[in-house]
Amino acid sequence: DTGVSQDPRHKITKRGQNVTFRCDPISEHNRLYWYRQTLGQGPEFLTYFQNEAQLEKSRLLSDRFSAERPKGSFSTLEIQRTEQGDSAMYLCASSLAGGYNEQFFGPGTRLTVL
Amino acid sequence: LAKTTQPISMDSYEGQEVNITCSHNNIATNDYITWYQQFPSQGPRFIIQGYKTKVTNEVASLFIPADRKSSTLSLPRVSLSDTAVYYCLVDKNRDDKIIFGKGTRLHILP
Repeated sequence: DTGVSQDPRHKITKRGQNVTFRCDPISEHNRLYWYRQTLGQGPEFLTYFQNEAQLEKSRLLSDRFSAERPKGSFSTLEIQRTEQGDSAMYLCASSLAGGYNEQFFGPGTRLTVL
Repeated sequence: LAKTTQPISMDSYEGQEVNITCSHNNIATNDYITWYQQFPSQGPRFIIQGYKTKVTNEVASLFIPADRKSSTLSLPRVSLSDTAVYYCLVDKNRDDKIIFGKGTRLHILP
């Protein structure tokens, strides 16, 4: 257990539905990251926050994806109008800002879009 | 970002020392070399980071030759629980996104 939790761990949804995932980082960590991982591939960066500010978004993050970190603590990742291609493991990580600090990853949320 | 090349997969046996080599010919002067480990159905976990020569911690050793164009992650006396994917990363020593490759799938046999 790294101290980063994600909820739910598994989500099955039908194409076209909206889904929301939650990530609770290690409490003193001000950086929070979202990644997506498909089978056989390494994780791909989606976006990251420092406190409540979203500092960078990948081109992978289409208009159907939105992430928030309203109070600089937990974060949510919402996918609207899900597509089968969104099926993946969604990973959250947190770290301290300033110099190199290792990222601590949560267990992930596995999304299956039918 | 410096591109890395590492074997797609490796097999070894319990009790053996495993060495995974990563090539990074275009590494820049201010790049660091970092390794992450990922077990099935879990997120990646930081193992070790180095800039030159040798770094050792309780989990692994990292060997970096003088030209820094490659690095070797060494796992002493592996066990079945070391079966995982190992990612070699080369990047500046900064605190933003990680760019992962496909990693090396290490399979430890009894």
